[in-house]
Amino acid sequence: GAVVSQHPSWVICKSGTSVKIECRSLDFQATTMFWYRQFPKQSLMLMATSNEGSKATYEQGVEKDKFLINHASLTLSTLTVTSAHPEDSSFYICSASGGIGNTIYFGEGSWLTVV
Amino acid sequence: DAKTTQPNSMESNEEEPVHLPCNHSTISGTDYIHWYRQLPSQGPEYVIHGLTSNVNNRMASLAIAEDRKSSTLILHRATLRDAAVYYCILRDYQGGKLIFGQGTELSVKP
Repeated sequence: GAVVSQHPSWVICKSGTSVKIECRSLDFQATTMFWYRQFPKQSLMLMATSNEGSKATYEQGVEKDKFLINHASLTLSTLTVTSAHPEDSSFYICSASGGIGNTIYFGEGSWLTVV
Repeated sequence: DAKTTQPNSMESNEEEPVHLPCNHSTISGTDYIHWYRQLPSQGPEYVIHGLTSNVNNRMASLAIAEDRKSSTLILHRATLRDAAVYYCILRDYQGGKLIFGQGTELSVKP
């Protein structure tokens, strides 16, 4: 299947700082990318949908000024967690669609720990 | 978004077939049935999807009821590496977002 890669796999940051997570589609052009967060023992929660070159659409309850999403090219989307707090510690997962059959493929996920 | 219902957990023995059920009684005519699975600390992995006819691929088979209100993911010979949370998700044919439910946690005993 198609490959979606996230970087970094894990990151620790201090409270109040910002951290950026990258999501790349390696072998197809992703017209749409999605960002999820997942707490331990829970299911994935969709945060936002982004289309290349346009503003992201955020799900209800997700702060767009806190979770900045940029989808500048057909192979790269970034999620920036601004002014991070310990409660933002979570597993963040991106996914992308646009390959054969428009199937959605997921990245490996990024663990964020805010201390 | 149409909702799916899955058992919270299931157990299987290694090398035996596993049938994972999913109910989606409010499915619309344009919804595809998708299955993903997630191993611990990893992103979900695409397994299979279908619309009306049964589907087979190298990972699994998908059996879809004639009225499309339910489906079953079939793993023909479970291995220890198949232990994961399996998600059944409906997605519009135009290619919308995936909304995850709680899924079924499959454990495989040696």
